[in-house]
Amino acid sequence: DAGITQSPRHKVTETGTPVTLRCHQTENHRYMYWYRQDPGHGLRLIHYSYGVKDTDKGEVSDGYSVSRSKTEDFLLTLESATSSQTSVYFCAISESPSSYNEQFFGPGTRLTVL
Amino acid sequence: AQSVTQLDSQVPVFEEAPVELRCNYSSSVSVYLFWYVQYPNQGLQLLLKYLSGSTLVKGINGFEAEFNKSQTSFHLRKPSVHISDTAEYFCAVSEKAAGNKLTFGGGTRVLVKP
Repeated sequence: DAGITQSPRHKVTETGTPVTLRCHQTENHRYMYWYRQDPGHGLRLIHYSYGVKDTDKGEVSDGYSVSRSKTEDFLLTLESATSSQTSVYFCAISESPSSYNEQFFGPGTRLTVL
Repeated sequence: AQSVTQLDSQVPVFEEAPVELRCNYSSSVSVYLFWYVQYPNQGLQLLLKYLSGSTLVKGINGFEAEFNKSQTSFHLRKPSVHISDTAEYFCAVSEKAAGNKLTFGGGTRVLVKP
């Protein structure tokens, strides 16, 4: 299995509070992604990174920010959590930006915003 | 922009019976096609992918998929399922010229009954 960990694995928070989720990889892959998974929607891309300090927006980036100060860590921040951000969040990594490359997924973080 | 439709949200099937999961996509440009599987409480892992060449693609765990360009479909099949195939299955596409960003379908939950 690809060495990807996510922390925390579960979190319950209140509306309006900031939340940071961490993705850590030991594969030295340059490309990292954050997705959210919601019933009936599959996974949707929030943000992605193509290197240290290089990030870009995905399909559903509103209300989220990311940072990548080291190759191995990709942080997702909910600036002011809302109930609509209750979801399961997955981090993924890939070795190459080529669109035919496999992405490897972490175990996920289940976030509940009350 | 591309989109992916998985026509069945749930598929119950008896052990040792065949299963087919349907996937249709829409895109104005050429795409690569993927099937990922998510076992309970885990991240996603790649089952198979279609890049080019033969339209019948074989993957892990006895799964195969057939690409049909005229029908813009990429249906997944297994001739005989096991209890351990109980999982959620996601069809995904990536645009060939747009980098490694996946667009997922809504998922199909397969429940294998003894």
